[in-house]
Formats: sequence, structure tokens, C-alpha cells
Amino acid sequence: AQSVTQLGSHVSVSEGALVLLRCNYSSSVPPYLFWYVQYPNQGLQLLLKYTTGATLVKGINGFEAEFKKSETSFHLTKPSAHMSDAAEYFCAVSGFAGGNKLVFGAGTILRVKS
Amino acid sequence: ETGVTQSPTHLIKTRGQQVTLRCSSQSGHNTVSWYQQALGQGPQFIFQYYREEENGRGNFPPRFSGLQFPNYSSELNVNALELDDSALYLCASSSQTVSYEQYFGPGTRLTVT
Repeated sequence: AQSVTQLGSHVSVSEGALVLLRCNYSSSVPPYLFWYVQYPNQGLQLLLKYTTGATLVKGINGFEAEFKKSETSFHLTKPSAHMSDAAEYFCAVSGFAGGNKLVFGAGTILRVKS
Repeated sequence: ETGVTQSPTHLIKTRGQQVTLRCSSQSGHNTVSWYQQALGQGPQFIFQYYREEENGRGNFPPRFSGLQFPNYSSELNVNALELDDSALYLCASSSQTVSYEQYFGPGTRLTVT
């Protein structure tokens, strides 16, 4: 069984400040991990993914995330927030490649203050 | 390259009615997954279709059913609608070889009154 916990349903940062969105997962098989972003009234856009190999993965729009197996975490970071980053972010886990479903966390709404 | 498209954008139905939602997969993708996203929650997996057959199902009752067509497009059917079925329904497509990398459509907002 797999599950995802996103700590903090709302995160507020100032423009130019560090963005840190937390994600912890539970998986009985080696996980594949994802971050998606959702803008109001839109679908989900893939930001980045971890499957195998390098544990620090870089995505679009300057975001990156680090897979830490010992901590079962996959936190999302961005060095400098931009107003356009305001959206809802979802962490998701999938099992071993083979057509499996994505299991999502409850989401974190990021607010960027000017 | 055409992305995932869904129709309709919005839909209002009455409790007890039936609804059909449609999804066209991204070019080159042969696998379609459906998710339900209730307000304020993360998406929940409904089921996945590959080669016109159901390839995995989440914890949803049988009144949620689907189809996949030879061109890989898909339908989600919900019978006997309940108020709790009000949600954003998301379709995602992927290739079977990279099935975990799913690309989502804009969704269909279903309201049941």
C-alpha cells in the first residue's frame, strides 16, 4: 500500500524567498515520486519526477526535489519565489513501473506575497 | 503534439441521473487513467484503461464504469448520480512503457444537485 502526507495545507512566502513544500511517503515497493502543480480551474501539470538514479531532481520553473529514502521524504524547493508560483501543489507516489495508479497527497496551497 | 483534452468542461446533473465524460489522450499515448478530485482534496484514482481493457481500479463502486476505444480515447460513465459525485474529473494519458508518467487534461467539473 502507498500513501502520501503533505505537511501544511497552506504555505505563505514572500516574493524572492525560499519555497519549501514538504512531502513524506509510504510505500511497500521502491517508489516513483512526483510533484504536480494545479492552477485554479485547471488540470495538473507535471513539475518533476524521481524514478531511479540521481536523488536530486530538477524540474520546470526552477523547482527541484530531493529523494531521501532514509527519511521517506521528497520535499519540493525553489530558491526564489515568484508571484506566478502561487498555485496548489500535489505530491504523488506510484509503485514499480507497470501501469500503476498515482496516489496523491491532499495538496499544499502556496501563496506568494509581494 | 496535441495534449489531453476532455469534454465537456462543466456539467450539471440531478441526483439519480447518468453522466458520460470524454477524454482524448495525448498523441502517442495508449493508456488512460481517470481520477476524481473532490473540492479541497487530492485526486483519487478511479481506474485505468489499456488496450481497451480495465487495467486497475481504485475504491469506487461499480456504478463508475469506463470504456477505451481503438483510437485510445476514453469515456467515464457514472450511473445513479449522488451528491458526493460532485467533483473535478481528471483524465490522464501515458504510454504503457512509461505508464507512471501521466499527463493530465483540464478536467470536467461535475455538479450534482
